[in-house]
Amino acid sequence: NAGVTQTPKFRILKIGQSMTLQCAQDMNHNYMYWYRQDPGMGLKLIYYSVGAGITDKGEVPNGYNVSRSTTEDFPLRLELAAPSQTSVYFCASSPPTGYEEQYFGPGTRLTVT
Amino acid sequence: GQNIDQPTEMTATEGAIVQINCTYQTSGFNGLFWYQQHAGEAPTFLSYNVLDGLEEKGRFSSFLSRSKGYSYLLLKELQMKDSASYLCAVRGRDTGFQKLVFGTGTRLLVSP
Repeated sequence: NAGVTQTPKFRILKIGQSMTLQCAQDMNHNYMYWYRQDPGMGLKLIYYSVGAGITDKGEVPNGYNVSRSTTEDFPLRLELAAPSQTSVYFCASSPPTGYEEQYFGPGTRLTVT
Repeated sequence: GQNIDQPTEMTATEGAIVQINCTYQTSGFNGLFWYQQHAGEAPTFLSYNVLDGLEEKGRFSSFLSRSKGYSYLLLKELQMKDSASYLCAVRGRDTGFQKLVFGTGTRLLVSP
């Protein structure tokens, strides 16, 4: 049971490049989330999904896109990377049981220069 | 919207007790979570409160007062490995019950 996995662990992008951050969970969780965490700050929600085919914006969605074609996978797409997107990105999942503890992946450290 | 306040940083001594406070404002409160995050790592779940009172789990306890919009995390018998950031997160009607809003976290430094 791997839990929540994320790839890559680290990435450096040039301004204007694009990339996809991968996230997968093997716990059959319906809910999945993408957060970003800037140094010394809390977690800001980018996008979330309540099930396959359903996604919605969080607090800071600009510059990002997501898709959820399967229960397991929830990739985050960055188009036209900007220095402001330098951050640590965490993917999380939770079951819709009412006791919604979120399980986090190890994170992706992204630098845009 | 939701507003969550925590102290930025706290220091304590090994073996001591420390209390980390969290105040929040939300409509339709539906749960408060505490997470621990070591530097460079992902957050891990510590505790969940939805009713008033104290929840105890080993060396860690969490308290909630819904009428005051207040929670605290109590860490007893501090160990060096407890040096980490502690994130308070709230779920409420105004941002959707499927989502959590996180505070900026309290960095705890435990010294020998």
